[in-house]
Amino acid sequence: AQSVTQLDSHVSVSEGTPVLLRCNYSSSYSPSLFWYVQHPNKGLQLLLKYTSAATLVKGINGFEAEFKKSETSFHLTKPSAHMSDAAEYFCVVNFDRGSTLGRLYFGRGTQLTVWP
Amino acid sequence: DSGVTQTPKHLITATGQRVTLRCSPRSGDLSVYWYQQSLDQGLQFLIQYYNGEERAKGNILERFSAQQFPDLHSELNLSSLELGDSALYFCASSVDPPRMGGDTQYFGPGTRLTVL
Repeated sequence: AQSVTQLDSHVSVSEGTPVLLRCNYSSSYSPSLFWYVQHPNKGLQLLLKYTSAATLVKGINGFEAEFKKSETSFHLTKPSAHMSDAAEYFCVVNFDRGSTLGRLYFGRGTQLTVWP
Repeated sequence: DSGVTQTPKHLITATGQRVTLRCSPRSGDLSVYWYQQSLDQGLQFLIQYYNGEERAKGNILERFSAQQFPDLHSELNLSSLELGDSALYFCASSVDPPRMGGDTQYFGPGTRLTVL
């Protein structure tokens, strides 16, 4: 069965320390993978997207994610957290990649807290 | 600002009522998607339209329906509302049917529906 799992519902870091948000997916082939961020009372903003051109994907605001096919993982990282990074982060998968369908499947989200 | 607009921002109504949520996609985007975000279910795909035609259905209740008009805006109709329908409803759009590289979805700010 196809699924997407975010391994941590909450992550807390101090400002200036690294961020790691973990995501695993279950699929028999390589889907399209995304990370979206949702700030309080805001919509969903695209951070980055993997489509197979490169396994290390750079996104906005210093975030990057690495696709590891052998581990079926797509973890999100940032070298140094900023207070403005506090938000909810969603790992998102399009298992219909290459078709005319566009259903996105969302993980349950990871709430990132950044302490001063 | 993603370029996707949704109205209204907030909607408060009573059980048994019917409401209509409206979405205007980004200029040039032909595909429109609807998602529901609730505390119980997280973010779920409801339905996809492409250039006026329904493409894919997710966990959309029979009490819910949607359509995409010739000017490409879309409406989501929710009827016989129940308390459990209270949620944030997002619309997203993408440039074309999500073939290789065309599956990035841009989200609107959402409509928060409260059913009392």
